[in-house]
Amino acid sequence: AQSVTQLDSHVSVSEGTPVLLRCNYSSSYSPSLFWYVQHPNKGLQLLLKYTSAATLVKGINGFEAEFKKSETSFHLTKPSAHMSDAAEYFCVVSLNYGGSQGNLIFGKGTKLSVKP
Amino acid sequence: NAGVTQTPKFQVLKTGQSMTLQCAQDMNHNSMYWYRQDPGMGLRLIYYSASEGTTDKGEVPNGYNVSRLNKREFSLRLESAAPSQTSVYFCASTQGVGQYFGPGTRLTVT
Repeated sequence: AQSVTQLDSHVSVSEGTPVLLRCNYSSSYSPSLFWYVQHPNKGLQLLLKYTSAATLVKGINGFEAEFKKSETSFHLTKPSAHMSDAAEYFCVVSLNYGGSQGNLIFGKGTKLSVKP
Repeated sequence: NAGVTQTPKFQVLKTGQSMTLQCAQDMNHNSMYWYRQDPGMGLRLIYYSASEGTTDKGEVPNGYNVSRLNKREFSLRLESAAPSQTSVYFCASTQGVGQYFGPGTRLTVT
């Protein structure tokens, strides 16, 4: 069975400091992994995706994530937080087999706060 | 190119009332999905349609029905709304890897 665990429900950083949002996954197959961002009262926007190509994936707005198979992790990072990064972030794994191929399993989300 | 659109944006229902949430995509995607989002739960899949003419249950289908009207449109129906269905509902579509989401419908059942 596939699942995803976001290790922190809330992360708070100061503007200009690094961001680390942690995600571990469980998958019986080669996973496709994603990070989505949701700003308050908005829909979800795809930040980046891993689909078995390069293990370091660059996304929009300066975010990147590294796929580490040995640690079953896909942590999201950004070198310097901006106030506009305050949002909820979801780590997501895609089902890669059978009739449900393409279906997504969402983590419970990490709320990122950025202090001035 | 509007992407994925949803109507209505907000709705208040009384317990037992019925309603249909509409979703349309203009990206010619084969697969479409309905999710609900509740605080601290992430998004949970209600129903999906892998292609026109097919629909399947997701993680939380009870109390809902869906119709894939054509390739563009995928509607979600609540036949007899319950307070437990108070949530934000998102529609999504995909043609491959990664899904595109609509702006959501905020539904309150009193």
